[in-house]
Amino acid sequence: DIVMTQSPLSLPVTPGEPASISCWSSQSLLNSNGYNYLNWYLQKPGQSPQLLIYVGSSRASGVPDRFSGSGSGTDFTLKISRVEAEDVGIYYCMHTLQSPYTFGQGTRLEIK
Amino acid sequence: QLRLQESGPGVVKSSQTLSLTCAVSGGSVSSGDYSWTWIRQPQEKGLEWIGVISHSGGTYYNPSLKSRVTISVDKAKNQISLNLYSVTAADTAVYYCARFNTGRGHADFDYWGRGTLVTVSS
Repeated sequence: DIVMTQSPLSLPVTPGEPASISCWSSQSLLNSNGYNYLNWYLQKPGQSPQLLIYVGSSRASGVPDRFSGSGSGTDFTLKISRVEAEDVGIYYCMHTLQSPYTFGQGTRLEIK
Repeated sequence: QLRLQESGPGVVKSSQTLSLTCAVSGGSVSSGDYSWTWIRQPQEKGLEWIGVISHSGGTYYNPSLKSRVTISVDKAKNQISLNLYSVTAADTAVYYCARFNTGRGHADFDYWGRGTLVTVSS
């Protein structure tokens, strides 16, 4: 199984400041079609997860442009350019390269 | 707008079978670019992928659950089903269904249901 590791696990941020979450996979997520099969999700309190970023760097429909994804192979990053109060929740990276699909442990973002 | 709605018993007795359905509205389970998947989340814990079924009925399951799980699709009712056999307390979780977008440039769970809590009782 591919192991997904996130850092940090807890992220206190002042509104208006940037934030960054790292995700590493135990093997490359780069498919032969050139896409990295790495997605980012945000689970807001009391809600189901929502897709933020797919194939490593493409923003999902309706996601604010303050969210961006980067990386390739085994190292990926989710960045929020200016954190807002509504960004509070748990962020998960997840791969869909091969079964079983696995998630990172989650990073809890909180507002200072 | 696509909507997924999970339903099923909130409590299942240990050693019995957990059966859930996911009703899909605003789209068809037969669409070629999409598969359908189940994920679960124990209380205050992370996410665990359970398995996936393609529009043609092919399935992949998490090896950790493979011997106890089946996922099926009912095209007439436009819904997906999950059966998890011989449950224990460790299967207590919120269960989500989601659409797996496998179109060009995609490999993501783009729509999720609100989830349903299943508690396994002794």
